[in-house]
Amino acid sequence: AQKITQTQPGMFVQEKEAVTLDCTYDTSDPSYGLFWYKQPSSGEMIFLIYQGSYDQQNATEGRYSLNFQKARKSANLVISASQLGDSAMYFCAMTDRGSTLGRLYFGRGTQLTVWP
Amino acid sequence: DSGVTQTPKHLITATGQRVTLRCSPRSGDLSVYWYQQSLDQGLQFLIQYYNGEERAKGNILERFSAQQFPDLHSELNLSSLELGDSALYFCASSPTVTSGGLANTQYFGPGTRLTVL
Repeated sequence: AQKITQTQPGMFVQEKEAVTLDCTYDTSDPSYGLFWYKQPSSGEMIFLIYQGSYDQQNATEGRYSLNFQKARKSANLVISASQLGDSAMYFCAMTDRGSTLGRLYFGRGTQLTVWP
Repeated sequence: DSGVTQTPKHLITATGQRVTLRCSPRSGDLSVYWYQQSLDQGLQFLIQYYNGEERAKGNILERFSAQQFPDLHSELNLSSLELGDSALYFCASSPTVTSGGLANTQYFGPGTRLTVL
């Protein structure tokens, strides 16, 4: 079963606007971690933000925030004040105590394009 | 810069050949993970090592093997290469082996792009 679903293959946003990238997850484990990574065209994977399943507040990291809705099993990434350098592929990922400790399950990604 | 290094950055080889990809984890990290990224499969977990010992296996082919050395660097060996093995191979590291947690965030190296002709 797909652990992480990202339904938006591509998103477009104008510079300085906010954008939300969707992510839903599937796990029966009450303890899990949710991550977002950014992959620019150069190829490297850059860690952006983390949300733990027991965290009471939504995670924030600079212009990145995570809209965590536990009951809906969603962990959407919000990027505020988009910049041209935000154009990249964004991956949602999860770890749980399932079959393999520590491994990341990735979604298929969302390609974000920021236009001037 | 994540602190994880991978060499080589690019590798072009022929079918049937064998290659070795190398990874050095961040200073202090004991756990190393290998992932494969391809257009059709996306990002797939291959294998995990912790302090020199194999801890978990994912979708790793029998033609592939890995090891982690006493200095904690890791190597991924790919043999009898096929066209379908062409992909971006990532190494990631984290401090421990337990699941989840911000403290155990995996940081990725720049990847090795393998092209099999």
